[in-house]
Amino acid sequence: KAGVTQTPRYLIKTRGQQVTLSCSPISGHRSVSWYQQTPGQGLQFLFEYFSETQRNKGNFPGRFSGRQFSNSRSEMNVSTLELGDSALYLCASSPDGANQPQHFGDGTRLSIL
Amino acid sequence: EDQVTQSPEALRLQEGESSSLNCSYTVSGLRGLFWYRQDPGKGPEFLFTLYSAGEEKEKERLKATLTKKESFLHITAPKPEDSATYLCAVQVVGGGGSNYKLTFGKGTLLTVNP
Repeated sequence: KAGVTQTPRYLIKTRGQQVTLSCSPISGHRSVSWYQQTPGQGLQFLFEYFSETQRNKGNFPGRFSGRQFSNSRSEMNVSTLELGDSALYLCASSPDGANQPQHFGDGTRLSIL
Repeated sequence: EDQVTQSPEALRLQEGESSSLNCSYTVSGLRGLFWYRQDPGKGPEFLFTLYSAGEEKEKERLKATLTKKESFLHITAPKPEDSATYLCAVQVVGGGGSNYKLTFGKGTLLTVNP
């Protein structure tokens, strides 16, 4: 069974640009969550999607947004990039989110110059 | 606010030297506690889920336990390949019933020397 796939693996952008990250969940999983991982803050929750609807959102500015498609694939967008957005962005999927382990992809490493 | 604290931040063991990692939590209502292992350059790999105090789960050299305030990850006779960062996360009840986010601790970096 294929795991969670995130593309691209690495990205380099400059301040002010925008970026879109992609996540393909495990087949049959309908819940997709996004996390930001940095050395100082650890893993922090960004948002969760289920059946194309955002169910929950973390404490990040509106520059961070996402969406989910009918095949459960998800994208995350960050606009007006700042140096502090440099991080590993992780996507996780689960069947429906409740009481179930989330399975993570290997992330997209975003570097802002 | 939900809080998860892991200790120690780093632990260095000799091969075969058993030890435990701690995860203490302060939450309004626990839905589940999850342990993950993360290798450098990789995403977290799921290890265990614990739902209620007194529950225990085992997998090879790892055993996870849960009380009302903390969880322990016991590592018996570790090998160098057990070296990784171990992360603890909680999922809590609340937010209208549809809050399924994970709140993570900062992790314990385990190094096992041969």
